[in-house]
Amino acid sequence: QQQVKQSPQSLIVQKGGISIINCAYENTAFDYFPWYQQFPGKGPALLIAIRPDVSEKKEGRFTISFNKSAKQFSLHIMDSQPGDSATYFCAALDNYGQNFVFGPGTRLSVLP
Amino acid sequence: EPEVTQTPSHQVTQMGQEVILRCVPISNHLYFYWYRQILGQKVEFLVSFYNNEISEKSEIFDDQFSVERPDGSNFTLKIRSTKLEDSAMYFCASSSGTGGGEQYFGPGTRLTVT
Repeated sequence: QQQVKQSPQSLIVQKGGISIINCAYENTAFDYFPWYQQFPGKGPALLIAIRPDVSEKKEGRFTISFNKSAKQFSLHIMDSQPGDSATYFCAALDNYGQNFVFGPGTRLSVLP
Repeated sequence: EPEVTQTPSHQVTQMGQEVILRCVPISNHLYFYWYRQILGQKVEFLVSFYNNEISEKSEIFDDQFSVERPDGSNFTLKIRSTKLEDSAMYFCASSSGTGGGEQYFGPGTRLTVT
């Protein structure tokens, strides 16, 4: 129940396309859902996050869509660029604990 | 922009040795974390630390591990008697608060146990 599932495992998108990464969870106590971007050899960097009281959050080219009833959330990257090529992790935090549960990651490659 | 720093960037040690990984969290943050990432795998929570004590730890964080905040700026992870399977990237993170406070990660220490 503490797992966060993430798909796809890898994604190849053409420059200018839309990248979509999906995550699902079981634990209804989760109430904070961030996305992290990680470049090789670097630490995860917070990209965007959402709480369950909203269904969508947009920051620049990055949008989180959240479906509370389905316990799913997704990251959309509009106008994908080669510089977006990285591994993306969704994560979840419950309102009791302090530790994030990370998804297994999606390796995104944006072709020029 | 304030950032979490970690030293060393790469640590090579022999099996059975003790290692100390060091982190300097963002200065006004109160919550500190260690995570581990085995090569090519997901990030795994190890421990969280607040008010000079462990607030939560995972199953991975057994008696082999300990954390300490020896002074007002450093946060350390000690691994006693290292094993081959401890080889991983270790990330420190800090946040200003709980309840989903944004966690900022350091660049990591690559630990190689031979």
